[in-house]
Amino acid sequence: SAVISQKPSRDICQRGTSLTIQCQVDSQVTMMFWYRQQPGQSLTLIATANQGSEATYESGFVIDKFPISRPNLTFSTLTVSNMSPEDSSIYLCSVLTGDGDTQYFGPGTRLTVL
Amino acid sequence: SQQGEEDPQALSIQEGENATMNCSYKTSINNLQWYRQNSGRGLVHLILIRSNEREKHSGRLRVTLDTSKKSSSLLITASRAADTASYFCATKTGAGSYQLTFGKGTKLSVIP
Repeated sequence: SAVISQKPSRDICQRGTSLTIQCQVDSQVTMMFWYRQQPGQSLTLIATANQGSEATYESGFVIDKFPISRPNLTFSTLTVSNMSPEDSSIYLCSVLTGDGDTQYFGPGTRLTVL
Repeated sequence: SQQGEEDPQALSIQEGENATMNCSYKTSINNLQWYRQNSGRGLVHLILIRSNEREKHSGRLRVTLDTSKKSSSLLITASRAADTASYFCATKTGAGSYQLTFGKGTKLSVIP
């Protein structure tokens, strides 16, 4: 398994501002992902964070709104840009382990946009 | 798109009883994973079962998979108050895909 930390754990932000969420893993991993969980809902994949290249976004998510960086094999950031109340969610990063199948998740960042 | 659907949406039991949650999915899968989430926090990985497996155990957890019915069940035996959480199933479709598709979850309440 992998130990994953996220910063911040929670934040309250004003409409129109941006927030950058950090994800740190205790070991090098090939695949890192960012998910969103809207209130009372399940998880939806935002994008796959690729090391050394642009992230791969899922349908309905765009780079201008959710820019992602992956400077090395243990770290990634997700920025939620120009926030609106609809962006209020829990944002989670996950990593794929050596078996190529099991995904482990970070503790999540709870974002509230006023 | 929605792949897994958990059933029931909510379940309330007494401590010591067994809890069974079901997950149905629509397309062929490579594997299915169960996760637990406490109070809107991070997800804890519980167990992974592959498409060629029918049953797996881990402690008080028992997972079954019926690919002919496209369904899986999670059984928690001798439940404890600490098992109170939301439980999600997540499916991985193809061997070349890393994406997990999550169901809506079952909210389990274990009453002391």
